[in-house]
Parts: sequence; C-alpha cells; structure tokens
Amino acid sequence: AAGVIQSPRHLIKEKRETATLKCYPIPRHDTVYWYQQGPGQDPQFLISFYEKMQSDKGSIPDRFSAQQFSDYHSELNMSSLELGDSALYFCASSGGGQGETQYFGPGTRLLVL
Amino acid sequence: GQQVMQIPQYQHVQEGEDFTTYCNSSTTLSNIQWYKQRPGGHPVFLIQLVKSGEVKKQKRLTFQFGEAKKNSSLHITATQTTDVGTYFCAGHNDYKLSFGAGTTVTVRA
Repeated sequence: AAGVIQSPRHLIKEKRETATLKCYPIPRHDTVYWYQQGPGQDPQFLISFYEKMQSDKGSIPDRFSAQQFSDYHSELNMSSLELGDSALYFCASSGGGQGETQYFGPGTRLLVL
Repeated sequence: GQQVMQIPQYQHVQEGEDFTTYCNSSTTLSNIQWYKQRPGGHPVFLIQLVKSGEVKKQKRLTFQFGEAKKNSSLHITATQTTDVGTYFCAGHNDYKLSFGAGTTVTVRA
C-alpha cells in the first residue's frame, strides 16, 4: 500500500539559510499534518491542512510557513534557520477530514550547522 | 489546552516479563490512539480506542480506554526483543491529536 512520502530524507543547512520540506500524502487523503520531533522528545504538532486550507496551527514559529497544493501535497518552508531547528520533521496524512488515524511519513532529518 | 501525560518515561524490562504504560489526559477525549516508534523510525499507528471502557487486544498487547475517556493503558505480556521502541499515546479532541511524551522500552535478554 502507498505510504506518505517525504523529501528530502536528510538535509543539512547553515544558520540563517532557508529550507523547504515536501510531503506527499497517501492517495485520497485530504488532510496533512506537520510535526517536529527533537531528540528524545514526542512529536510536536506544527500545522495542518484540510482540503488545501489551513485547519489548525500548533507551535509553528513565525519563520516557518506551509501550504497544501491542489494535488494535496504539502510543503513546509523554513527561513532564517536556527541551530534549534535541527530535528526530525514528520508529515502525516489522514482521510475523511480531521479526526481520522494519522499515517506518518519516514520524516526529514534536518541538521542546522 | 489539552495535555496528555504518559508514564513511565522509560521502561527497562526483562525478556518474558510484562509491563504497562499509562496515559492520562487533562480533558475528555473523543478517542485515543497508540503509536509505536522504533529507534530511527517514524511513529506507526497501532490502534484507536473510541468507546468508554473499551478494551482491545493485539496478540500480546492489551489496550484499555477509561470509563471517563480521560485515561488509557497499554499492557504488554511476555515482552520480546521486538517490543523495543517508544510507545506514544495520542489523545484526540477538538480536531487535535496531542501526543504523550512516550514510554521508551528497552529489553534485556
């Protein structure tokens, strides 16, 4: 069965640079979620989109933005990167609107030097 | 806001023994989900509990949802080395999924 695809899988950036993470949800899933997971921590919810509209916002910094496109893929844009942004970024998708089981992608490991 | 507490944070288990991880929410939940994350991997959905007092089993794993729909537990019997990983509960309410801090399980043979 098709799973959530994330790219790139690994990314190394320097401070103050920008990064774009991409997420391709499971086909026919209409909701995408972004999470940030620091070492030894639980996934922290950043933002979610339902039918291409932002549906909920969590602890996403103002330096980050995201959107969901007409093909339901989503991109997380991160600017003015800081050392503390180094983390694993997961995208998850669900079908049938919010409240359904979330299926996680493999994650993008971002390292900011 | 909604908070989900999970204990213990770490569980070191002798192979063959049983253990339980507990999850408590500050608010009533519409459902609770459990995920397992292996080291270096991503959270993988295990199960969802919806009804008050619900009990579900998956082989050696038993999941319970409290009567008040504010707490849940995961009990693993006869722990195996394949059970290694972090188990997260995630409480769902108001269209939000809030993760507990997770219980990281290690197994000694």
